[in-house]
Parts: sequence; structure tokens; C-alpha cells
Amino acid sequence: DTGVSQDPRHKITKRGQNVTFRCDPISEHNRLYWYRQTLGQGPEFLTYFQNEAQLEKSRLLSDRFSAERPKGSFSTLEIQRTEQGDSAMYLCASSLGRGFPFGGTEAFFGQGTRLTVV
Amino acid sequence: LAKTTQPISMDSYEGQEVNITCSHNNIATNDYITWYQQFPSQGPRFIIQGYKTKVTNEVASLFIPADRKSSTLSLPRVSLSDTAVYYCLVGALTGGGNKLTFGTGTQLKVEL
Repeated sequence: DTGVSQDPRHKITKRGQNVTFRCDPISEHNRLYWYRQTLGQGPEFLTYFQNEAQLEKSRLLSDRFSAERPKGSFSTLEIQRTEQGDSAMYLCASSLGRGFPFGGTEAFFGQGTRLTVV
Repeated sequence: LAKTTQPISMDSYEGQEVNITCSHNNIATNDYITWYQQFPSQGPRFIIQGYKTKVTNEVASLFIPADRKSSTLSLPRVSLSDTAVYYCLVGALTGGGNKLTFGTGTQLKVEL
């Protein structure tokens, strides 16, 4: 296991279709994050899991978006009824949480899934 | 989370030292300062993290003054391959706990 893996790397879909992305984190990492990035902008936080529990969701995550992390391993991000505004790079990251006062540990990002909605 | 302000872009030449400064006036006591690098069509990559004073690793140094209201990422002797976007982030347990909050970053362009 050499890093965070995301599948597929690219996805083109028609407006109104559903899409699902998969993220396989680094195996010992208990924390997993999803981000969305559009051209010229920094990544925007979508949601965060600690093990299998989804602990935080951004207001950006509308009802059409859902994420799961069954068994605290891989995660999926599903977008229902896609819209052209959903076109973006979807990034997954994982990290090992140690808790304060040990400070942060680095988050490792995958290469992302580029979604194009036509 | 503390908001950060950094230059939109910087230009440099190969072999020079590059310093990118980030302002974070509202940094909280528990906040760490972390820098990430991102190449086109790739996810961000961790560069360095610090809490106060100076931190150095094999790729960069991070200078943090006593008031912690700013920080400077120093890249020694940059090369063309250092052309990327650099993000400054502040937050409690950054990278290991809470969500990461990215700004628009600094686009560094290195030329021959």
C-alpha cells in the first residue's frame, strides 16, 4: 500500500445521471476526508470520517451527495442527479489521528477523480 | 478556523531561494501551521508543519515569529520542478484531526 488510491481517475457523465467514486486510504489511517476542487481554487472540504463514523459534513454537501465508509476502510462518494456545477476534481485524503496535544499528522491525498458533467 | 492571506503568485529563477509569507492574524493557541504543495491534476502534498520558531526538513524551512501571526515558507535553491501552488493552512490538529481549510494558495513559477 503506497498511498491513497482513487477510482476512477476520470468520469464523464450526462446531466441527471448518478455517479459513484471510490477511495482506498492508507491502510492504517483512521481518518478519511473528501474534498472538491474547481479550477483556480483550493480544495473545499466536503466531509470527514473517523473510522466508519461520518463526523462532519460541509454545507456544500447537498442532499444529492452521500458518502459512506463501511467498516472504516474504503469510502465511496455518490452524487445523484448530477448537475453541470458538479464538474470538479474530487479529492480523497487520509491521515492518522493522534489527538491533541500531539498535534496534526499530515494528510495524504489521492490523485483525485475528475468529473465532467455534460 | 483562522483565515490565511498569501500572495496570489510569485516568480523566481532556478537556484534562487524563495520565501512565501502567509498572514494568519487570528491564529488560535491550539492552531498549527501547515504548508501543502499541489501540482496540476494531482492532490496536495504535505511539505512542512510547525507551531512556533523554526522547523526544517529535507525540502523546506518554516519560520514562525513569536506572535505566530504570520509564517514564511522558505524553499532553498528552487528548480523548475518546484513550479506549483503552495497552500498555507492553520488549524487545530491540522491534518490529523479536523478538516483542512485551503485558500487559493500561491502560484509559484520557476524559470530558467
